[in-house]
Amino acid sequence: EAGVVQSPRYKIIEKKQPVAFWCNPISGHNTLYWYRQNLGQGPELLIRYENEEAVDDSQLPKDRFSAERLKGVDSTLKIQPAELGDSAVYLCASSLEGRNGVYGYTFGSGTRLTVV
Amino acid sequence: QKEVEQNSGPLSVPEGAIASLNCTYSDRGSQSFFWYRQYSGKSPELIMFIYSNGDKEDGRFTAQLNKASQYVSLLIRDSQPSDSATYLCAVNREYGNKLVFGAGTILRVKS
Repeated sequence: EAGVVQSPRYKIIEKKQPVAFWCNPISGHNTLYWYRQNLGQGPELLIRYENEEAVDDSQLPKDRFSAERLKGVDSTLKIQPAELGDSAVYLCASSLEGRNGVYGYTFGSGTRLTVV
Repeated sequence: QKEVEQNSGPLSVPEGAIASLNCTYSDRGSQSFFWYRQYSGKSPELIMFIYSNGDKEDGRFTAQLNKASQYVSLLIRDSQPSDSATYLCAVNREYGNKLVFGAGTILRVKS
C-alpha cells in the first residue's frame, strides 16, 4: 500500500512569490490534514478535511494561505505571497476514523519550504 | 500553558538502559494519546497509541496513561542507538478529531 505522497520534497522561493504543495493521501482515508512544523517544534494543524469539506481551518492564515481537496482525494495547499516566516516543513497526513476517533495519522514525507 | 508539554531534552541514556519520556496535557476531556518518533529530516512515524488508563506494551515500548493526572509516558526498554530521535507526544482532544502535538523530546542513546 502506498503511503501519503507529497510533492515537492524541497522548495526554495523568494519572498512575495507564490508556492503550492500537493498531497495524495492513503487510499480510503477520509480525513486529510495539513500541518506546519517549525524547527524544534511539533507539527501545528493548518487545516483538516473530512472528504472534500474543510471542517477545521481555524489556524489557517487565510490572508495568504488557501487549500482545496477536490473530489475528496488529492489536496493542494497554496501560499501567496510567501513571507520569510513561512519557512518550515509542511506535512500532509491522512487517517481513518473509528469507534475511538482517530487511529493516529500517517504522515507524508513533507515539503521543506525555504523563503529567501 | 501549552496544551501538550514535553521536556525538550536532550535525554541521554546508555545503550541497554530504559529511556523514560514524559508528557502532560491540559484538556481533561482528551480521549486518545499517541507517541510518534521523528528522525532528523524525516516525518513523524506512529509508534504507539493508548486510550485507557494503565499500561500498553508493544515489544520494547510501553505507553502509560494516567488520565487523573493528565500524564502520558513512553518507556523504551533495552535502548539502542537507533532509538536516537525526537519523540512527539500527541493528544486527540475531546471535540474535533485532530491531534495536538507537543514540541518533542530529543533522545540520545549512547553506545
